[in-house]
Amino acid sequence: AQTVTQSQPEMSVQEAETVTLSCTYDTSESNYYLFWYKQPPSRQMILVIRQEAYKQQNATENRFSVNFQKAAKSFSLKISDSQLGDTAMYFCASASNFGNEKLTFGTGTRLTIIP
Amino acid sequence: EPEVTQTPSHQVTQMGQEVILRCVPISNHLYFYWYRQILGQKVEFLVSFYNNEISEKSEIFDDQFSVERPDGSNFTLKIRSTKLEDSAMYFCASSEILGRGISFEQYFGPGTRLTVT
Repeated sequence: AQTVTQSQPEMSVQEAETVTLSCTYDTSESNYYLFWYKQPPSRQMILVIRQEAYKQQNATENRFSVNFQKAAKSFSLKISDSQLGDTAMYFCASASNFGNEKLTFGTGTRLTIIP
Repeated sequence: EPEVTQTPSHQVTQMGQEVILRCVPISNHLYFYWYRQILGQKVEFLVSFYNNEISEKSEIFDDQFSVERPDGSNFTLKIRSTKLEDSAMYFCASSEILGRGISFEQYFGPGTRLTVT
């Protein structure tokens, strides 16, 4: 079984600043995938970034990057140059093994970007 | 860009009634999922579906729930006798079939808000 923990229910940051959202996970699988999803007020689930556990290099997508610490089972999301449109709930999620496994989500962090 | 669609966007029903939530996955995807999110809580997996059968289901997915792919495009979630606690946002998702060692992505629909009164 997999568990995902997000210990920051809410965060806020000034526009253009950098913010880091924390996530820890637990799994018994030898290979797995980790994700950050964004859920704006419209409640659509949007994939922000993905990390394969067997890859040592941290994933990056434009202003979004992760700090993947496999030994510590930590997977944090860094948002650089934050924008008002980044205001949303952010969910960390994991999926085990290969193929098309179910996603296990954390409880989310509500991020507010302050103008 | 292809997307997953869901109808209706909002469904209000009375306790004990049957509801069917509809999803149209991305056309070349073969894995389908339903998740739900009770207001203010995390997203929870309900069921995954592949090759016209359930591949995995959660404890939430009891006998009141069923899924079906009635034709080549739709994927439905049926709740036979709704309860107040079924009120939630229901998300459909789909993904491609990929080989071992290749990462995948689940594409989510916009969700159906189900309100049981």
